[in-house]
Amino acid sequence: NAGVTQTPKFRILKIGQSMTLQCAQDMNHNYMYWYRQDPGMGLKLIYYSVGAGITDKGEVPNGYNVSRSTTEDFPLRLELAAPSQTSVYFCASSSRDSNNSPLHFGNGTRLTVT
Amino acid sequence: GQNIDQPTEMTATEGAIVQINCTYQTSGFNGLFWYQQHAGEAPTFLSYNVLDGLEEKGRFSSFLSRSKGYSYLLLKELQMKDSASYLCAVGRGGSSNTGKLIFGQGTTLQVKP
Repeated sequence: NAGVTQTPKFRILKIGQSMTLQCAQDMNHNYMYWYRQDPGMGLKLIYYSVGAGITDKGEVPNGYNVSRSTTEDFPLRLELAAPSQTSVYFCASSSRDSNNSPLHFGNGTRLTVT
Repeated sequence: GQNIDQPTEMTATEGAIVQINCTYQTSGFNGLFWYQQHAGEAPTFLSYNVLDGLEEKGRFSSFLSRSKGYSYLLLKELQMKDSASYLCAVGRGGSSNTGKLIFGQGTTLQVKP
């Protein structure tokens, strides 16, 4: 199992550009999440999904969009990139078989918007 | 509202014991998680507490007091490789059990020889 795979690892965007951060998991997990992590800050939830076709907003959804057409994939779309979106983005998944099912994180995408 | 507090930084000596505290105030509670994150890497799961008391797992133990909104992570026999950030996260409760976690800002632990 590859676990949770994120691409790209690094990206530099100009203000106003758009891009899609890819996330795929091969563990057949229904639950998937997108977090961002700024220096010295905790992880903030952007969007999450409890299954294919179902998505919902987290704490900081503005400026982002997601889709979940398959169980495996959960891409995060940035439209009109802004410097405030410079961050490290982590995708995570969970089986939620029980309350103590942990999150499995991808290795992150480091995004700089200049 | 919801708030999770952890110390920003801690320093300890190799071979020693260190306790990292976490206090929380959340609407709804569905367990408390601790994650370890080495610099430049993804967080990895360490422990989960939902009932009051101590959970021990090798050199690491985690304690929870729900009435006090308090948890700690105890690391024994510290090793250099334990230098990392330790993230406290609370699971949101409620009828829609979505598995969402609210994270504290993390505690960066530096282990010195």
